[in-house]
This record gives sequence, structure tokens and C-alpha cells, in this order.
Amino acid sequence: AQSVTQLDSHVSVSEGTPVLLRCNYSSSYSPSLFWYVQHPNKGLQLLLKYTSAATLVKGINGFEAEFKKSETSFHLTKPSAHMSDAAEYFCVVSWGSYIPTFGRGTSLIVHP
Amino acid sequence: ETGVTQTPRHLVMGMTNKKSLKCEQHLGHNAMYWYKQSAKKPLELMFVYSLEERVENNSVPSRFSPECPNSSHLFLHLHTLQPEDSALYLCASSQDLSGEQFFGPGTRLTVL
Repeated sequence: AQSVTQLDSHVSVSEGTPVLLRCNYSSSYSPSLFWYVQHPNKGLQLLLKYTSAATLVKGINGFEAEFKKSETSFHLTKPSAHMSDAAEYFCVVSWGSYIPTFGRGTSLIVHP
Repeated sequence: ETGVTQTPRHLVMGMTNKKSLKCEQHLGHNAMYWYKQSAKKPLELMFVYSLEERVENNSVPSRFSPECPNSSHLFLHLHTLQPEDSALYLCASSQDLSGEQFFGPGTRLTVL
């Protein structure tokens, strides 16, 4: 079985400060992990993915995530938030032929 | 045209109407998905097709009827909907069931 927990429903940061969006997963075997972003009234767009290669994954728009097996975490970070980063972020886990499981989402709010 | 497209982008319908949502993918993928996204609720997986066969149906009311005539097209037929069915309906595709999903922009449905 697989599951994913996004620990914060909302995260609020000031422009120019670091971003941390937390994600923990549960999977029987080595999972594939993804982060997606959704801007208002748009579809979801892939930010980055981990598929058993390097544990530090770099994505688009300056985001990165680190796979930590011992902590079963895949937190998303960015050194400096931009106003355009305000969006909904989804952490996703999949394994084998299982259909990916989506987290409930974290809303990132960026203040000027 | 590339990626995943959805038509119409916006739809307003009465409870007695019949309408269909269309999704088309130009990526050569084998799996296609319908999701429902309501305000303040997690993303809900509705239907999954793999190689044109339905593989997942998450207790969706029968007033929603999917159709996958070929690997590039997916429809969601709607009839006698309820106001609570108003939501953003997202289509996605992936190469296989556990892989990265590519999303369309969604259809914003309003049921009066």
C-alpha cells in the first residue's frame, strides 16, 4: 500500500525568503515521488520527480527536493520565494504498477 | 498541437441537460485519467483507463459515464447532474500507470 501526507495545508512566506513544503510518504518498496504545481484555474504541472537516481532532485523554477529514505520524506524547497510561486503544490507517490497517490495539497502564499 | 487538451474549458449546464467533456492527448501515452477537483477538497480520482480498458472506478455516481474509444481520446458523459457536481474536471495521461502524469487545463463545470 502507498500513501502520502502533506503536513501543511497552507504555508505563508515573504518574497525573497526560503520555501519549505513538507511531504512524507508510506510505500512498501522504493517509490517514485513527484511534486506538481497548480496555479489558479489551471491544470497541474510537474515540478520534479525522483525515480531512484540522485537523492537530491532539481526541478523547474529553482525548486528542488531531497529524498530521505530514513525519514520517508520528500520535502520541496526553494531558496528564495517569488510572487509567481504562489500556487497549490501536490506531493505524489507511486510504486510498481500502482496508480499514483496524490497528497491533499499545500497552498503556498507569498507576501510582498 | 502538443500535450493534453480539454474541451470545453468552461461549461454551464442545468440539472436535466446531457453534455460531454472531451480530452485528447498527443503524447502517445497508454493511460488516461479523469479527476474531479472541488474547492476545499482533495483531488479525487474518478476513472482510469489503460490501453483503452477501464482499470479504476472509484465509486463514482452513474450520472458520470466515461468513454475511451482509443488511446488518444477520453470522454466524460454527463447527465442529470447535481449542483454539488460543480467543479474543475481534470484529464491526465501517462506512459504507464505508475509514471509521471501530464495534465490538461481542465473544464470548469457549473451545474445550475
